[in-house]
Amino acid sequence: RKEVEQDPGPFNVPEGATVAFNCTYSNSASQSFFWYRQDCRKEPKLLMSVYSSGNEDGRFTAQLNRASQYISLLIRDSKLSDSATYLCVVNQPGNNNDMRFGAGTRLTVKP
Amino acid sequence: EAQVTQNPRYLITVTGKKLTVTCSQNMNHEYMSWYRQDPGLGLRQIYYSMNVEVTDKGDVPEGYKVSRKEKRNFPLILESPSPNQTSLYFCASSDYRSYEQFFGPGTRLTVL
Repeated sequence: RKEVEQDPGPFNVPEGATVAFNCTYSNSASQSFFWYRQDCRKEPKLLMSVYSSGNEDGRFTAQLNRASQYISLLIRDSKLSDSATYLCVVNQPGNNNDMRFGAGTRLTVKP
Repeated sequence: EAQVTQNPRYLITVTGKKLTVTCSQNMNHEYMSWYRQDPGLGLRQIYYSMNVEVTDKGDVPEGYKVSRKEKRNFPLILESPSPNQTSLYFCASSDYRSYEQFFGPGTRLTVL
């Protein structure tokens, strides 16, 4: 089983749609969770951290479910500029800087 | 401007010809790492360094070497590149407070 698994997509949605991505992780001792965004042929950049209580940043909401070992990302009112690959990232227990990346979920928002 | 730089950005080489990809960060981060990204496999960690003179293997270290003689630099060395090392390589750095990884722009390597 992969350490971090994501649905690769692609997700093709119209502008204004709500879309949700899930990600599962294998190590129950992981403590830090993130969503990164990667545009085509560019480097990944932090989108948001994921906190135990869930957190929201504008149109983006991240949730953590420790019991089921998954995290989610919800994007409301999708914009064309949201088109990218979204990477789920989980730390290795014992080293908070050592991260494991999912293969990414590709999102295309269409007019 | 806070950044991670990598050079070269693009490289085409031949099997067996030693090469080095440089990585430098100006944020005084303790932690640096190298990843390779291949279609369908995502980012896989090659090597990481928790501080000067401290390096350790990641998930896919075979065929690679690194060094960390200065805090800001973390070069990736391919002593004898092979075609299966054709990939997109990213260097990243982070500090021990926020864990946010800052990535360089990537190096696209082709080994013929």
